[in-house]
Amino acid sequence: QKEVEQNSGPLSVPEGAIASLNCTYSDRVSQSFFWYRQYSGKSPELIMSIYSNGDKEDGRFTAQLNKASQYVSLLIRDSQPSDSATYLCAVHTGNQFYFGTGTSLTVIP
Amino acid sequence: NAGVTQTPKFRILKIGQSMTLQCTQDMNHNYMYWYRQDPGMGLKLIYYSVGAGITDKGEVPNGYNVSRSTTEDFPLRLELAAPSQTSVYFCASRGGQVIGGQPQHFGDGTRLSIL
Repeated sequence: QKEVEQNSGPLSVPEGAIASLNCTYSDRVSQSFFWYRQYSGKSPELIMSIYSNGDKEDGRFTAQLNKASQYVSLLIRDSQPSDSATYLCAVHTGNQFYFGTGTSLTVIP
Repeated sequence: NAGVTQTPKFRILKIGQSMTLQCTQDMNHNYMYWYRQDPGMGLKLIYYSVGAGITDKGEVPNGYNVSRSTTEDFPLRLELAAPSQTSVYFCASRGGQVIGGQPQHFGDGTRLSIL
């Protein structure tokens, strides 16, 4: 059973702070890693993808991957109330994607 | 460019009824997926397809069937609906190769209640 683990939260941060979201995965041969944002009642929306060790930055978002530790993280800088959502970590292995249960983030104005 | 289109958006079924959830994509993607999402949970893969005529089971296939006769369409069939199938169903597609895969694009979902 391939597993993707996330802290369910809820995580609360004040507006303007850095939000840190973490994800671990069990399958060492996993190839690609994705962070999705999901607003309540909506479908998942891609935020970041990362394929190799290290950091990848896109605007206020930074994804970090450490394959040796089987760990993926997402940093959100200058958090805004509009960032309040559930963040899903997805791991791509073979033909399938495995999702964590998500971390609920609330940004407090 | 509509992306991934799912119909219907909402449906209420009685126990034992059958229905088909429709999914169509216009991005010429080979890979298509059906997930269910229960409240407070992540997405669980029901079935997936790597191309027309090819389908395979995911984590939770029991009670469902799929077909893939064209690249565009990937319907999900529920036979003998049960209360445990009450969930939100998402269809997704992606292009690219298996290695270094492209991300999935999701439809808006179908909210299904079995009463």
